Amino acid sequence: DQQVKQNSPSLSVQEGRISILNCDYTNSMFDYFLWYKKYPAEGPTFLISISSIKDKNEDGRFTVFLNKSAKHLSLHIVPSQPGDSAVYFCAASPYSSNTGNQFYFGTGTSLTVIP
Amino acid sequence: EPEVTQTPSHQVTQMGQEVILRCVPISNHLYFYWYRQILGQKVEFLVSFYNNEISEKSEIFDDQFSVERPDGSNFTLKIRSTKLEDSAMYFCASTEQGGWIDTQYFGPGTRLTVL
Repeated sequence: DQQVKQNSPSLSVQEGRISILNCDYTNSMFDYFLWYKKYPAEGPTFLISISSIKDKNEDGRFTVFLNKSAKHLSLHIVPSQPGDSAVYFCAASPYSSNTGNQFYFGTGTSLTVIP
Repeated sequence: EPEVTQTPSHQVTQMGQEVILRCVPISNHLYFYWYRQILGQKVEFLVSFYNNEISEKSEIFDDQFSVERPDGSNFTLKIRSTKLEDSAMYFCASTEQGGWIDTQYFGPGTRLTVL
């Protein structure tokens, strides 16, 4: 049951240009969305998040956009740098007030930034 | 910066054997998680743990799996009788609080290979 989908397994972008990574979800109960970055041989590292009450969150070169009606979110990286080359996972979570909350992950998009 | 650590980095075992994967969460964190990622597939939630008991688990987390916090620092995942399909990267994660907007910090993972 693929509740979070990343339909592009890979993306190549020239250094300095914008990288756009997309993510779709099916569960309308999801209220919190995150992007994780993963380098080989390392665990996922938190990058940026957005809650469902917002449609945009920005942190430096990274911006996440949320379109709730389309159940779609995207991560924009601008300008892209070679060090951004990694696998990017989209994750989503339903509202849960006090319990340890599970995240649902997409399959990841491998970003390559070409110098 | 505090980090989640996992040992071993790679575990090879024979089918039917028991394995214990170890994690040391960040010291002031209270919620703990195990995820797995089968090669080429998405990161999947296994279980969350708080106050010495399981708070949530997925359908993957069947009777072959168990978790334990044997002391104040370690968090372990035991697979009683490994199957070939248990071969995957296993990630431990922790959060300071369990609220739905709390970011989970991941360890580097243990690669389990079942022969």
